[in-house]
Amino acid sequence: QSALTQPRSVSGSPGQSVTISCTGASSDVAVHNYVSWYQQHPGKAPKLIIYDVSHRPSGVPDRFSGSESGNTASLTISGLQADDEADYFCCSFAGGSTEVFGGGTKLTVL
Amino acid sequence: QVTLRESGPALVKATQTLTLACTFSGFSLSTTGMCVSWIRQPPGKALEWLARIDWDEDEYYSSSLKTRLTISKDTSGNQVVLTMTNMDPVDTAMYYCARIVYGATWAYDIWGQGTMVTVSS
Repeated sequence: QSALTQPRSVSGSPGQSVTISCTGASSDVAVHNYVSWYQQHPGKAPKLIIYDVSHRPSGVPDRFSGSESGNTASLTISGLQADDEADYFCCSFAGGSTEVFGGGTKLTVL
Repeated sequence: QVTLRESGPALVKATQTLTLACTFSGFSLSTTGMCVSWIRQPPGKALEWLARIDWDEDEYYSSSLKTRLTISKDTSGNQVVLTMTNMDPVDTAMYYCARIVYGATWAYDIWGQGTMVTVSS
C-alpha cells in the first residue's frame, strides 16, 4: 500500500481559504467513502477533523470541510485563523481491510 | 471518558524485539465495531499505519511490515499489545495507538499521547 499523495506545504493569509488535496489509487480513495483528515500541532497527537470524506465530528468548526472526486479527496479550510497552522494528514481505508495515510501537508498561516 | 495510553521502552537496540502496550478505558474491545490500531511517526515525518485488531479479533497488518508485527489483545481485555521484531534505527518514531468505532465512522476518533521509541545501533 503506497502512501496517499499530499502537497508538502500550503499557505494562506488569515481569513482566506486553502484546499489540501489527497490523491490515492483505485484500491483506496476511489473505492471507499472512508477518507478521514487529521490536524496535528507540533508535539501533539493527531486530532480528527473530518471523517467519512465530508463529516465533521462534534466540536470541529464548520470552517473545515471535506470532499472527494474520483481518487482525490480534499480538505478545505475557510476563514483561516492563526491556530489552523499545523500539519494535516489524510487517511483512507484500503485494500485487504488495511489503511493508508498521506504524506502530510504543512499549513502556514501568513 | 475514552482514553488510550501507550507504554513501552524508550530505547531499544537494533535487532531487538519491541513490545508496546496500549491501555485503554471507557470502551470494550469486545463490543461490536470497536477497533484499535497502532500508528507510528518518525520525527518530522508522516504517519504510518502499522496494524489493527478488531472486536472480532481479526488482525490486519501493513504489507511492508507484516513479517515483523504481531498485534494482540491481552486477557485483561483493556490492553492491546504490539510486538515488532528485528528493530532497526529507521524504526525510531513516536508510536501511537488509536480507536475506531466502525459503524459510527471509519476514522480514529481518539488517540493516545504516543510513546517515543529510539532504536540505537
